[in-house]
Amino acid sequence: DVKVTQSSRYLVKRTGEKVFLECVQDMDHENMFWYRQDPGLGLRLIYFSYDVKMKEKGDIPEGYSVSREKKERFSLILESASTNQTSMYLCAIQGQETQYFGPGTRLLVL
Amino acid sequence: QKEVEQNSGPLSVPEGAIASLNCTYSDRGSQSFFWYRQYSGKSPELIMFIYSNGDKEDGRFTAQLNKASQYVSLLIRDSQPSDSATYLCAVNPNQAGTALIFGKGTTLSVSS
Repeated sequence: DVKVTQSSRYLVKRTGEKVFLECVQDMDHENMFWYRQDPGLGLRLIYFSYDVKMKEKGDIPEGYSVSREKKERFSLILESASTNQTSMYLCAIQGQETQYFGPGTRLLVL
Repeated sequence: QKEVEQNSGPLSVPEGAIASLNCTYSDRGSQSFFWYRQYSGKSPELIMFIYSNGDKEDGRFTAQLNKASQYVSLLIRDSQPSDSATYLCAVNPNQAGTALIFGKGTTLSVSS
């Protein structure tokens, strides 16, 4: 079974703070993805990575950056958190058939 | 822009009925299609995938694909209250290094 873990299930941060969300996979999958999900807007792709140190912008990269120093770990960074980044953040990996999601991190920015 | 469209719902069916969820996609070159189920507050989980025209059955679930009409559907037979969730349709645009394209999901409510 594919296993994807995320560092936190719930997170509360203040406006302006730097926020790190981490995603770890237990298999040797190359492609990893970060999404955010908001009511009525569905899943929106922020960034993805297809190899170590490689990254591609998704549909809504503004205000975010990513880091992939090791194959199993893909981090999403909010450089200066804002209230409009309050959301559910989902990490996914590309398995053999399709994408598999981690449990998600619900982030509240006050 | 490649798109995947779903009715947002909610779709309400009584327990034991057949629930029919529909999805259309814009990219005619798409080759693989997926249905995810997402319970409130949880992450999406894969329940079905289909590559070829026609039907694919797995227990109470049947996925149907019509590439000519660019249409994918999911039928849930003998619907149960535990099937109440949001169902996401996803399409692989069949380009290396790209992500799936997701619809916004259809909310299904099964009443007992």
